[in-house]
Amino acid sequence: AQTVTQSQPEMSVQEAETVTLSCTYDTSESDYYLFWYKQPPSRQMILVIRQEAYKQQNATENRFSVNFQKAAKSFSLKISDSQLGDAAMYFCAYRSNFGNEKLTFGTGTRLTIIP
Amino acid sequence: DVKVTQSSRYLVKRTGEKVFLECVQDMDHENMFWYRQDPGLGLRLIYFSYDVKMKEKGDIPEGYSVSREKKERFSLILESASTNQTSMYLCASSLWGQASPGGYTFGSGTRLTVV
Repeated sequence: AQTVTQSQPEMSVQEAETVTLSCTYDTSESDYYLFWYKQPPSRQMILVIRQEAYKQQNATENRFSVNFQKAAKSFSLKISDSQLGDAAMYFCAYRSNFGNEKLTFGTGTRLTIIP
Repeated sequence: DVKVTQSSRYLVKRTGEKVFLECVQDMDHENMFWYRQDPGLGLRLIYFSYDVKMKEKGDIPEGYSVSREKKERFSLILESASTNQTSMYLCASSLWGQASPGGYTFGSGTRLTVV
């Protein structure tokens, strides 16, 4: 079974600075997707960014980018120019490209933005 | 605006009660999921369904059942609520297949307290 590990329960960053959230995963598969979700205080989970394992290029969405290291099974999220609205719980998730389509989530990282 | 709607944002029930959590999506998605979210544990999959009347157990199905009589509706049932089922419950839906691996669309959660 796949597992996803987020080793940082809490992180904080100064507004306008850059922060990196860590995620590692364990799988024996070669074809899969990785995701970062954001859960603000409103509780609505929002997809931030996704990465397809067969693509070597790291995904980027505006101020959000990932560092995908397939051999190391690492998938970190970098947030540049942090804004107050980035404060949230961030979850890393894994989805196999075989069989069912469930997501396996990490335990989350709570990000605080310091004004 | 497409969405996943959970019928209750907050719910308080007594031990031993039968509890129904309802989820409706308007996106014609094949897959629907129920997760529970607990601090330090992240999101854990209870049940999922990939078609009407079809269901599969997730990682923590004990004490729960589900019903999917119509494509748009997926109900989570606590047959006899217990205090250890106090949690946040999140419903989600997604399209089947890799054509649109955009992850899930989530509801805004039901915070259930069993007293």
